[in-house]
Amino acid sequence: GQNIDQPTEMTATEGAIVQINCTYQTSGFNGLFWYQQHAGEAPTFLSYNVLDGLEEKGRFSSFLSRSKGYSYLLLKELQMKDSASYLCAVLDSNYQLIWGAGTKLIIKP
Amino acid sequence: DSGVTQTPKHLITATGQRVTLRCSPRSGDLSVYWYQQSLDQGLQFLIQYYNGEERAKGNILERFSAQQFPDLHSELNLSSLELGDSALYFCASSAGTGDVGELFFGEGSRLTVL
Repeated sequence: GQNIDQPTEMTATEGAIVQINCTYQTSGFNGLFWYQQHAGEAPTFLSYNVLDGLEEKGRFSSFLSRSKGYSYLLLKELQMKDSASYLCAVLDSNYQLIWGAGTKLIIKP
Repeated sequence: DSGVTQTPKHLITATGQRVTLRCSPRSGDLSVYWYQQSLDQGLQFLIQYYNGEERAKGNILERFSAQQFPDLHSELNLSSLELGDSALYFCASSAGTGDVGELFFGEGSRLTVL
């Protein structure tokens, strides 16, 4: 079966750095997405990785290792507004998005 | 603003009833996806349409049905509603079949079944 694993919840301090991991086992791979979702709101796109390596976009970076079935989202200089759920999703061989359950990130002052 | 419009934003109804949720995708997007998200749960994929045709089906109950019309808007019909159907229903759109590129989500329709 297809599976995506993320930690359920993480806590970090304002101004710090946090890394949210995602491991996946899917039938095929055509890319990995990270989305941010504030409580009660729609998910919004953060990043897309299809090749191995690190993609940096401001305070957020996303890393992919296809051989390990592993990705992480790195958030730097954490702000209170970063408190949200972070969803990892993989595009499988049929170009279907397989979603993780999401990681709830709590930022403390 | 993602450009995806969903109506209604909130809906309260009783068990056994039927409701229709509507979605207008971003201008030019051919694919529409429906997701269900129960409280504090992940996104559950229901169904995808591409240019009027069903493209993929997820964990959609037989009591639920959907369609995409020639103008590309989509409707999700939920019937014989149960308490467990209370959830946030999201519509998302993308330009293609989802092979590359992000999904743009609407603000969701919050359904409460009493």
